[in-house]
Amino acid sequence: DAGVIQSPRHEVTEMGQEVTLRCKPISGHNSLFWYRQTMMRGLELLIYFNNNVPIDDSGMPEDRFSAKMPNASFSTLKIQPSEPRDSAVYFCASSLGQAQETQYFGPGTRLLVL
Amino acid sequence: QQPVQSPQAVILREGEDAVINCSSSKALYSVHWYRQKHGEAPVFLMILLKGGEQKGHEKISASFNEKKQQSSLYLTASQLSYSGTYFCGTERFGNDMRFGAGTRLTVKP
Repeated sequence: DAGVIQSPRHEVTEMGQEVTLRCKPISGHNSLFWYRQTMMRGLELLIYFNNNVPIDDSGMPEDRFSAKMPNASFSTLKIQPSEPRDSAVYFCASSLGQAQETQYFGPGTRLLVL
Repeated sequence: QQPVQSPQAVILREGEDAVINCSSSKALYSVHWYRQKHGEAPVFLMILLKGGEQKGHEKISASFNEKKQQSSLYLTASQLSYSGTYFCGTERFGNDMRFGAGTRLTVKP
């Protein structure tokens, strides 16, 4: 079975450019999570969706970040404009949906903003 | 809201035991444990539920003290493959996961 799929795996961009990260959750999973991981801040929850609806976006750093989930099999995290401090590994994870469920992480997108 | 993990780092010899602790200042709904190897994604180990029992995974087990909002991960007879960073994640209301800063475990031959 395919796990969580993320693309691209690596992204290098210049400050000010728009960045779009993509995620395909495991089929049948109803919840989707976006995390950011840095050495300084560790693993942070940015936003999560349940049945395609954003439930908690309190972790989104600022208005430059936005996330969408147009259907059950696809989500995007967009940064516009990007800044060097956005450099991090961004993970997408999915779960069956109810609380207390295992979260399965994708391989991550390594983002470097120059 | 972020749980506190201790210690920050542990170095073991193969066959030795270790305990990693995770605590929260808030009442918890559940505690999750994940392991992450360098350059890879976190991988689920186990969940401990409020009112639930201690759950184990091979020689790795964990406990959850609801009254103290604390969880401990026990690694018994450690193997080289146990090396990595261990994260506890806590839920207060459900799906509002917050991860600790991680404990880096190194197992040496």
